[in-house]
Order: sequence, then structure tokens, then C-alpha cells
Amino acid sequence: AQRVTQPEKLLSVFKGAPVELKCNYSYSGSPELFWYVQYSRQRLQLLLRHISRESIKGFTADLNKGETSFHLKKPFAQEEDSAMYYCALHGGGSEKLVFGKGTKLTVNP
Amino acid sequence: SQTIHQWPATLVQPVGSPLSLECTVEGTSNPNLYWYRQAAGRGLQLLFYSVGIGQISSEVPQNLSASRPQDRQFILSSKKLLLSDSGFYLCAWRGTGGAFFGQGTRLTVV
Repeated sequence: AQRVTQPEKLLSVFKGAPVELKCNYSYSGSPELFWYVQYSRQRLQLLLRHISRESIKGFTADLNKGETSFHLKKPFAQEEDSAMYYCALHGGGSEKLVFGKGTKLTVNP
Repeated sequence: SQTIHQWPATLVQPVGSPLSLECTVEGTSNPNLYWYRQAAGRGLQLLFYSVGIGQISSEVPQNLSASRPQDRQFILSSKKLLLSDSGFYLCAWRGTGGAFFGQGTRLTVV
């Protein structure tokens, strides 16, 4: 079964501090992992995906198959990063796209 | 470019009334389509997904159903709404770069 776990419902950091949003997954095959972000009063939107190995808005995420994790990181948080973040998994052998429960990030000035 | 439309944005319905939420996608063909319910503290719960016309997979048994009468149309329905059906419903389609979401429908059952 596909499962995504985001252990932190809430995460609060100060501006300029490093931030890490945790995501662990459960899937027996080869998954595709994504991070989505929802800013206040905006649509849920794709932030980044593990396949592209890119950095978006200073965020990066590395897929660790040994630890079945896909943590989202940013070295210096900004106030505009405050949002709801969702980790998602698409199983290679399935068309399901499963999301975690989300982490609300607050970056304080 | 691809766009996704979902309506209505808000809806207030009495208990026992029927429901029909519509989602359409433009600019792509044969997309995978999804219905989610988003609730605070519970994240995005996958309700239904579809890989083609008439093909519906249900993830959570409940008072809702879905249909895909056309390639780019996905409908969420109920014959008789319950109070517990209140929530925020999101439609999405999946392309090669990831999933793209509609604006959502806030459903309040009274």
C-alpha cells in the first residue's frame, strides 16, 4: 500500500534559520515523490519532484530509498515561505497519487 | 497550456439533497483525474481517481460517487448528502510534471 507520513503538523522557525520538513513513505516499488505547497488563499501547487533534482525557491529534497524519506530542506527560511506543505507519492505501478497530512510552516520575523 | 476548472467555488446544501461537482480540464487529452477532500489536520484524502472514460477507482467507501462521462470531465456526486460530507473538495489532473489542482469547492451541508 502507498502511504506518506509527515510527522510534524506544525513547524515554526525564525527568518534566516534552516528548515527541514520531514516526509517518510511506504511503497514496495519505485515511487515518484513530490512536494506541494499551498500559500494562503492560493491553489495547491507543485513545488518540486525528486526526478528533476532541482532547487525551487531555495528548497531541495533528496530521495533516500534506504530510509524511505524525502525531506524538504532550505538553508535560510524566509517569511514568504510560510505555507502548508504536502509530500506526495505516485507509485510506479499504480495511478494513485497519495498525499501526506501536511505540515504548516510558519517563518517568524 | 493546460488548465483545470472546478465549480462551484462554494456550495451550501441541505441534508438529504443531491450533489454534483464538476471538473473539466483543457489543453490535454486522456489525463489521469483525481478527486480529493482536504481537511485541516487530515491532509488530502484521495476519494476517486480515473485513468479514462468510464473508469473509476474508489479509495474510500462513503456517501459519494464519481463519474467520467467524457475524456476531460470528472464529476463528483451524491444522491443524498450527509452532514459529514461537508468539506473542501479538490479536483486534480496529472501530467508528466506532477499534479495540477483546481480552485476547490467548499461544500457546507446544513
